[in-house]
Amino acid sequence: GENVEQHPSTLSVQEGDSAVIKCTYSDSASNYFPWYKQELGKRPQLIIDIRSNVGEKKDQRIAVTLNKTAKHFSLHITETQPEDSAVYFCAARGEGSQGNLIFGKGTKLSVKP
Amino acid sequence: IAGITQAPTSQILAAGRRMTLRCTQDMRHNAMYWYRQDLGLGLRLIHYSNTAGTTGKGEVPDGYSVSRANTDDFPLTLASAVPSQTSVYFCASSDPHLTSGGDHGFTDTQYFGPGTRLTVL
Repeated sequence: GENVEQHPSTLSVQEGDSAVIKCTYSDSASNYFPWYKQELGKRPQLIIDIRSNVGEKKDQRIAVTLNKTAKHFSLHITETQPEDSAVYFCAARGEGSQGNLIFGKGTKLSVKP
Repeated sequence: IAGITQAPTSQILAAGRRMTLRCTQDMRHNAMYWYRQDLGLGLRLIHYSNTAGTTGKGEVPDGYSVSRANTDDFPLTLASAVPSQTSVYFCASSDPHLTSGGDHGFTDTQYFGPGTRLTVL
Protein backbone atom coordinates (compact mmCIF):
# COMPACT_ATOMS: atom_id res chain seq x y z
CA GLY A 1 0.00 0.00 0.00
CA GLU A 2 0.86 3.67 -0.02
CA ASN A 3 3.54 5.01 2.33
CA VAL A 4 4.16 8.72 2.85
CA GLU A 5 7.34 10.11 4.40
CA GLN A 6 7.46 13.76 5.52
CA HIS A 7 10.50 15.89 6.38
CA PRO A 8 11.51 17.70 8.45
CA SER A 9 9.56 16.84 11.60
CA THR A 10 10.24 20.32 13.00
CA LEU A 11 11.13 23.56 11.24
CA SER A 12 11.91 26.94 12.72
CA VAL A 13 12.18 30.08 10.57
CA GLN A 14 12.33 33.82 11.08
CA GLU A 15 9.32 35.86 10.12
CA GLY A 16 9.57 36.85 6.47
CA ASP A 17 11.70 33.86 5.48
CA SER A 18 10.48 30.98 3.34
CA ALA A 19 9.64 27.50 4.61
CA VAL A 20 9.72 24.27 2.61
CA ILE A 21 8.29 20.91 3.69
CA LYS A 22 8.91 17.81 1.60
CA CYS A 23 7.03 14.54 1.25
CA THR A 24 7.73 11.36 -0.68
CA TYR A 25 5.23 8.67 -1.58
CA SER A 26 5.58 5.07 -2.67
CA ASP A 27 2.55 4.31 -4.87
CA SER A 28 3.18 5.52 -8.42
CA ALA A 29 -0.59 5.33 -9.05
CA SER A 30 -1.31 8.04 -6.45
CA ASN A 31 -3.12 10.95 -8.06
CA TYR A 32 -4.11 13.41 -5.34
CA PHE A 33 -1.87 15.22 -2.85
CA PRO A 34 -3.45 17.55 -0.27
CA TRP A 35 -1.80 19.57 2.47
CA TYR A 36 -3.51 20.19 5.82
CA LYS A 37 -2.68 22.75 8.49
CA GLN A 38 -3.46 22.06 12.12
CA GLU A 39 -3.18 24.82 14.69
CA LEU A 40 -2.69 23.88 18.32
CA GLY A 41 -5.83 22.29 19.74
CA LYS A 42 -7.73 22.66 16.47
CA ARG A 43 -8.85 20.38 13.68
CA PRO A 44 -6.80 19.83 10.47
CA GLN A 45 -7.89 22.07 7.60
CA LEU A 46 -7.07 21.81 3.92
CA ILE A 47 -4.84 24.63 2.71
CA ILE A 48 -3.91 23.49 -0.80
CA ASP A 49 -3.95 20.37 -2.93
CA ILE A 50 -2.53 19.21 -6.25
CA ARG A 51 -3.46 16.49 -8.68
CA SER A 52 -1.17 14.30 -10.72
CA ASN A 53 -1.67 16.13 -14.02
CA VAL A 54 -0.30 19.39 -12.61
CA GLY A 55 3.30 20.20 -11.67
CA GLU A 56 2.73 23.29 -9.51
CA LYS A 57 -0.11 25.15 -7.90
CA LYS A 58 -0.06 28.49 -6.08
CA ASP A 59 -2.44 30.27 -3.73
CA GLN A 60 -1.08 33.60 -2.53
CA ARG A 61 1.91 32.81 -0.26
CA ILE A 62 1.48 29.06 -0.51
CA ALA A 63 2.59 26.80 -3.35
CA VAL A 64 2.84 23.08 -3.87
CA THR A 65 5.08 21.34 -6.42
CA LEU A 66 4.83 17.76 -7.59
CA ASN A 67 7.52 15.59 -9.20
CA LYS A 68 5.81 12.41 -10.35
CA THR A 69 9.00 10.82 -11.64
CA ALA A 70 10.74 11.16 -8.29
CA LYS A 71 7.47 10.60 -6.37
CA HIS A 72 7.81 13.63 -4.17
CA PHE A 73 5.86 16.81 -3.53
CA SER A 74 6.65 19.89 -1.51
CA LEU A 75 4.87 22.74 0.27
CA HIS A 76 6.41 26.19 -0.05
CA ILE A 77 5.38 29.08 2.19
CA THR A 78 6.86 32.47 1.35
CA GLU A 79 7.02 35.58 3.53
CA THR A 80 6.16 33.55 6.61
CA GLN A 81 4.14 35.15 9.40
CA PRO A 82 3.68 34.10 13.06
CA GLU A 83 0.17 32.88 12.24
CA ASP A 84 1.72 30.31 9.90
CA SER A 85 2.99 28.51 13.01
CA ALA A 86 1.20 25.13 13.09
CA VAL A 87 1.63 21.47 12.26
CA TYR A 88 1.43 20.72 8.55
CA PHE A 89 0.47 17.32 7.17
CA CYS A 90 0.92 16.07 3.64
CA ALA A 91 -1.15 13.20 2.30
CA ALA A 92 -1.42 11.05 -0.79
CA ARG A 93 -4.26 9.07 -2.24
CA GLY A 94 -3.49 6.03 -4.31
CA GLU A 95 -5.50 3.24 -5.83
CA GLY A 96 -3.73 0.75 -3.60
CA SER A 97 -5.23 2.38 -0.50
CA GLN A 98 -8.81 2.04 -1.78
CA GLY A 99 -8.87 5.71 -2.52
CA ASN A 100 -8.24 6.74 1.08
CA LEU A 101 -5.69 9.34 2.16
CA ILE A 102 -2.42 8.23 3.72
CA PHE A 103 -0.92 11.02 5.84
CA GLY A 104 2.66 11.91 6.62
CA LYS A 105 3.65 12.23 10.27
CA GLY A 106 3.56 16.01 10.22
CA THR A 107 5.93 18.98 10.40
CA LYS A 108 5.77 21.45 13.27
CA LEU A 109 6.52 24.88 11.84
CA SER A 110 7.50 27.69 14.17
CA VAL A 111 7.75 31.23 12.80
CA LYS A 112 9.67 33.50 15.12
CA PRO A 113 8.84 37.22 15.10
CA ILE B 1 -24.96 25.04 9.20
CA ALA B 2 -22.93 23.09 11.78
CA GLY B 3 -20.75 21.18 9.32
CA ILE B 4 -19.35 18.20 11.15
CA THR B 5 -19.65 17.68 14.89
CA GLN B 6 -18.26 15.17 17.36
CA ALA B 7 -19.25 14.16 20.88
CA PRO B 8 -18.02 14.03 23.52
CA THR B 9 -15.28 16.66 23.42
CA SER B 10 -13.23 14.64 25.87
CA GLN B 11 -13.66 11.52 27.96
CA ILE B 12 -11.76 9.60 30.60
CA LEU B 13 -12.58 5.91 30.48
CA ALA B 14 -11.65 2.89 32.58
CA ALA B 15 -10.00 0.04 30.73
CA GLY B 16 -12.45 -2.65 29.69
CA ARG B 17 -15.38 -0.27 29.33
CA ARG B 18 -17.37 0.15 26.14
CA MET B 19 -17.42 3.60 24.53
CA THR B 20 -19.07 5.11 21.47
CA LEU B 21 -17.76 8.28 19.88
CA ARG B 22 -20.37 10.14 17.89
CA CYS B 23 -19.94 11.95 14.60
CA THR B 24 -22.61 13.83 12.67
CA GLN B 25 -22.42 15.88 9.49
CA ASP B 26 -25.08 17.98 7.82
CA MET B 27 -23.32 18.49 4.48
CA ARG B 28 -24.85 15.37 2.88
CA HIS B 29 -21.39 14.02 2.21
CA ASN B 30 -21.27 10.43 1.03
CA ALA B 31 -17.89 9.52 2.50
CA MET B 32 -16.96 9.56 6.19
CA TYR B 33 -13.78 8.60 8.04
CA TRP B 34 -12.41 8.02 11.51
CA TYR B 35 -8.77 8.85 12.29
CA ARG B 36 -6.72 8.70 15.42
CA GLN B 37 -3.96 11.22 16.02
CA ASP B 38 -1.00 10.35 18.19
CA LEU B 39 2.07 12.51 18.78
CA GLY B 40 4.70 11.78 16.17
CA LEU B 41 2.47 9.41 14.22
CA GLY B 42 0.26 11.82 12.34
CA LEU B 43 -3.27 10.87 11.35
CA ARG B 44 -4.02 7.18 10.92
CA LEU B 45 -7.22 5.90 9.35
CA ILE B 46 -9.27 3.55 11.54
CA HIS B 47 -12.39 2.91 9.47
CA TYR B 48 -14.15 4.58 6.59
CA SER B 49 -17.48 4.54 4.81
CA ASN B 50 -17.85 5.48 1.15
CA THR B 51 -21.62 5.65 1.36
CA ALA B 52 -24.47 4.86 3.76
CA GLY B 53 -24.72 1.13 4.41
CA THR B 54 -21.06 0.36 3.65
CA THR B 55 -17.92 0.44 5.78
CA GLY B 56 -14.29 -0.53 5.34
CA LYS B 57 -11.15 -1.03 7.41
CA GLY B 58 -8.32 1.47 7.43
CA GLU B 59 -4.74 1.19 8.65
CA VAL B 60 -5.49 0.55 12.34
CA PRO B 61 -8.97 -1.03 12.69
CA ASP B 62 -8.32 -3.53 15.51
CA GLY B 63 -10.38 -2.86 18.63
CA TYR B 64 -12.78 -0.53 16.83
CA SER B 65 -16.06 -0.96 14.98
CA VAL B 66 -18.26 1.43 13.00
CA SER B 67 -21.70 1.54 11.47
CA ARG B 68 -23.28 3.77 8.82
CA ALA B 69 -27.04 3.46 9.06
CA ASN B 70 -27.64 6.80 7.32
CA THR B 71 -25.74 9.55 5.51
CA ASP B 72 -25.33 11.88 8.48
CA ASP B 73 -24.04 9.67 11.31
CA PHE B 74 -20.90 7.56 11.64
CA PRO B 75 -20.35 6.34 15.23
CA LEU B 76 -17.11 4.69 16.33
CA THR B 77 -17.31 2.05 19.06
CA LEU B 78 -14.57 0.73 21.31
CA ALA B 79 -15.98 -2.57 22.57
CA SER B 80 -13.47 -2.98 25.41
CA ALA B 81 -11.16 0.00 25.77
CA VAL B 82 -7.42 -0.46 26.38
CA PRO B 83 -4.83 2.17 27.39
CA SER B 84 -3.22 2.07 23.91
CA GLN B 85 -6.44 3.55 22.56
CA THR B 86 -5.70 6.79 24.41
CA SER B 87 -5.61 9.30 21.58
CA VAL B 88 -7.35 12.20 19.88
CA TYR B 89 -10.01 10.94 17.49
CA PHE B 90 -11.07 12.92 14.44
CA CYS B 91 -14.04 12.24 12.26
CA ALA B 92 -14.02 13.59 8.70
CA SER B 93 -16.32 13.67 5.72
CA SER B 94 -15.95 14.32 2.01
CA ASP B 95 -18.02 14.46 -1.12
CA PRO B 96 -15.93 13.16 -4.01
CA HIS B 97 -17.36 14.50 -7.23
CA LEU B 98 -16.48 15.84 -10.63
CA THR B 99 -16.18 19.57 -11.10
CA SER B 100 -16.60 21.63 -14.25
CA GLY B 101 -13.04 22.93 -14.12
CA GLY B 102 -9.75 21.48 -15.32
CA ASP B 103 -7.21 19.82 -13.03
CA HIS B 104 -8.82 16.40 -13.59
CA GLY B 105 -12.14 18.03 -12.68
CA PHE B 106 -12.39 16.24 -9.36
CA THR B 107 -12.57 17.40 -5.78
CA ASP B 108 -12.30 15.34 -2.64
CA THR B 109 -11.63 17.72 0.23
CA GLN B 110 -11.96 16.10 3.62
CA TYR B 111 -13.57 18.23 6.34
CA PHE B 112 -12.62 17.34 9.88
CA GLY B 113 -14.65 17.50 13.05
CA PRO B 114 -13.30 19.20 16.20
CA GLY B 115 -11.99 15.94 17.67
CA THR B 116 -12.55 13.85 20.80
CA ARG B 117 -9.75 13.51 23.33
CA LEU B 118 -10.02 10.03 24.86
CA THR B 119 -8.00 8.82 27.83
CA VAL B 120 -8.16 5.15 28.81
CA LEU B 121 -6.85 4.37 32.27
